[in-house]
Amino acid sequence: QKEVEQNSGPLSVPEGAIASLNCTYSDRGSQSFFWYRQYSGKSPELIMFIYSNGDKEDGRFTAQLNKASQYVSLLIRDSQPSDSATYLCAVNSAAGNKLTFGGGTRVLVKP
Amino acid sequence: GAVVSQHPSRVICKSGTSVKIECRSLDFQATTMFWYRQFPKQSLMLMATSNEGSKATYEQGVEKDKFLINHASLTLSTLTVTSAHPEDSSFYICSARGGGGGFGEKLFFGSGTQLSVL
Repeated sequence: QKEVEQNSGPLSVPEGAIASLNCTYSDRGSQSFFWYRQYSGKSPELIMFIYSNGDKEDGRFTAQLNKASQYVSLLIRDSQPSDSATYLCAVNSAAGNKLTFGGGTRVLVKP
Repeated sequence: GAVVSQHPSRVICKSGTSVKIECRSLDFQATTMFWYRQFPKQSLMLMATSNEGSKATYEQGVEKDKFLINHASLTLSTLTVTSAHPEDSSFYICSARGGGGGFGEKLFFGSGTQLSVL
């Protein structure tokens, strides 16, 4: 079982719609969770982080965390073509000293 | 925000040669830097954790004699791919951890190095 799992996609979303991305993790002791956006050939950029159960909103992005279910998600509202990228879920290990990345979900926002 | 500079951005080399990649934190001191490798359409895989002034900690399956890491100062870490072979062709990304905040909040990535070994 992979430590951090994501659906590879592609997730095709019409412009203006909501994109919903999911991520599950295996280390129950994980404490912090991150979503990165990566454009092709570029390095990842942090878009959201969440530490506590529940929802966290930042602009058009909402991260949701459910530690009991070991599940973290990302919602992108009013999706734009510029949101087309691969979204990486990352989990900080229980020891707190490194990030483990999921395989990423490719999102395509169609005009 | 903090800046991590990684050079070169792209390198093409012949099989058997060695390639050095530099990672610099430009406006903060990074006691810890991380080196990742990413194959096409795959995720980032942590290769090693580099701590200033001490030996790097390599992840399972990563050959320490092949991927030499030096973190001689608080702003510079280097990764040398020794005797590179075509299977080493990949996108290598460094990241540096700044102080304060949560672990991932203060983790800044370099722009990556695309290595192609012929």
